[in-house]
Amino acid sequence: ELKVEQNPLFLSMQEGKNYTIYCNYSTTSDRLYWYRQDPGKSLESLFVLLSNGAVKQEGRLMASLDTKARLSTLHITAAVHDLSATYFCAVVRRGGGNKLVFGAGTILRVKS
Amino acid sequence: GAVVSQHPSWVICKSGTSVKIECRSLDFQATTMFWYRQFPKQSLMLMATSNEGSKATYEQGVEKDKFLINHASLTLSTLTVTSAHPEDSSFYICSARGVVRGHNTDTQYFGPGTRLTVL
Repeated sequence: ELKVEQNPLFLSMQEGKNYTIYCNYSTTSDRLYWYRQDPGKSLESLFVLLSNGAVKQEGRLMASLDTKARLSTLHITAAVHDLSATYFCAVVRRGGGNKLVFGAGTILRVKS
Repeated sequence: GAVVSQHPSWVICKSGTSVKIECRSLDFQATTMFWYRQFPKQSLMLMATSNEGSKATYEQGVEKDKFLINHASLTLSTLTVTSAHPEDSSFYICSARGVVRGHNTDTQYFGPGTRLTVL
């Protein structure tokens, strides 16, 4: 059974600081997604990572994937208040319809 | 492209009544739709998967007689919560995948969600 673990679950950081959110998964998968969710809203797609060593960047966020270690990271550079949200990683569960299994989410609060 | 809508965006109902939530793919053909439930401050949990024209597949622990799913066309799936109870209050999110701009895609596109409150 595919399990997806995120840490930390809650992150409070000062503006201008850097930090990394980690996403570990338990069985082989070749597709991993990162999403952002604002309170009361649905998911906004941030990144899809398809292969070992993949790195994608958008603004102050950078995501990477190591399929051998079954680990993805979401790195935040010089955080700003607008990045405050909940971030989820989700991994495709192969077989039986390629369903997504979500991590628990990381609540990020960026303090001014 | 690849826009998914849900209706209603929020609904309040009395205990024992049934509520129908619609999920539509506006600009692509959704061969598969997924229904998720999210309780406050928790992650998304997949409830069921539906393929157009066939019966939905429910995840373990989800009552199929309580959560009726219909996917009658390539652009519409509905979730009906029957005999709703306060513990069914949650945020319900659908997603869809299929043929986008002529290409079959594995990516799920998420709807905006429906907040259900059962009194």
